[in-house]
Amino acid sequence: DIQMTQSPASLSASLGETVTIECLASEDIYSNLAWYQQKPGKSPQLLIYYANSLNDGVPSRFSGSGSGTQYSLKINSLQSEDVSIYFCQQNYDSPYTFGAGTKLELK
Amino acid sequence: EVQLVESGGGLVQPGRSLKLSCAASGFTFSNYGMHWIRQAPTKGLEWVASISPSGGSTYYRDSVKGRFTISRDNAKSTLYLQMDSLRSEDTATYYCATASGTYYYVMDAWGQGASVTVSS
Repeated sequence: DIQMTQSPASLSASLGETVTIECLASEDIYSNLAWYQQKPGKSPQLLIYYANSLNDGVPSRFSGSGSGTQYSLKINSLQSEDVSIYFCQQNYDSPYTFGAGTKLELK
Repeated sequence: EVQLVESGGGLVQPGRSLKLSCAASGFTFSNYGMHWIRQAPTKGLEWVASISPSGGSTYYRDSVKGRFTISRDNAKSTLYLQMDSLRSEDTATYYCATASGTYYYVMDAWGQGASVTVSS
């Protein structure tokens, strides 16, 4: 199975700050990487697919980058509604594994 | 607007069965692959099973293969997950999700989830 290692496990940031979440795959996943946001008590929502493509309706302050085994999610100008858990997922090979999540809180 | 509504969750004893349903609306159900994903309490997400738009192809993670069956009724716009021989480690919230049109194993829209607890 492809292991997805996310870092950090949690982070605290201030409103307006820029934050970056990393995701490392145990092998090359050829940009088949998606990011999801899960707000407290809610189901996950797709943010980004194919490493850097923004899903419809997702604010442009979210962006994704990376290739090979290393990927990142960047949130510019942090808003209060961005408090969530963020998961990466590889959709390259079965089983389609997720990272353990990064819990983002406001400082 | 895409809507996915899961039902059928509950408390079940180990070794027993449970069947989840996912009622879909707001899109042409028969055109989309569908997935089940689960999330154990305070844990991360785990892909469980997928089914093609026609229902002719199904895919499972190894730990549920032979115990779980994914199916669909396109006339009713409903997805199912039959779960047999349940184990304590199957305890989780189960989400149904649509496959992305372009990237099949990207989960586009998600339901609100159905809670399954396996305990004696």
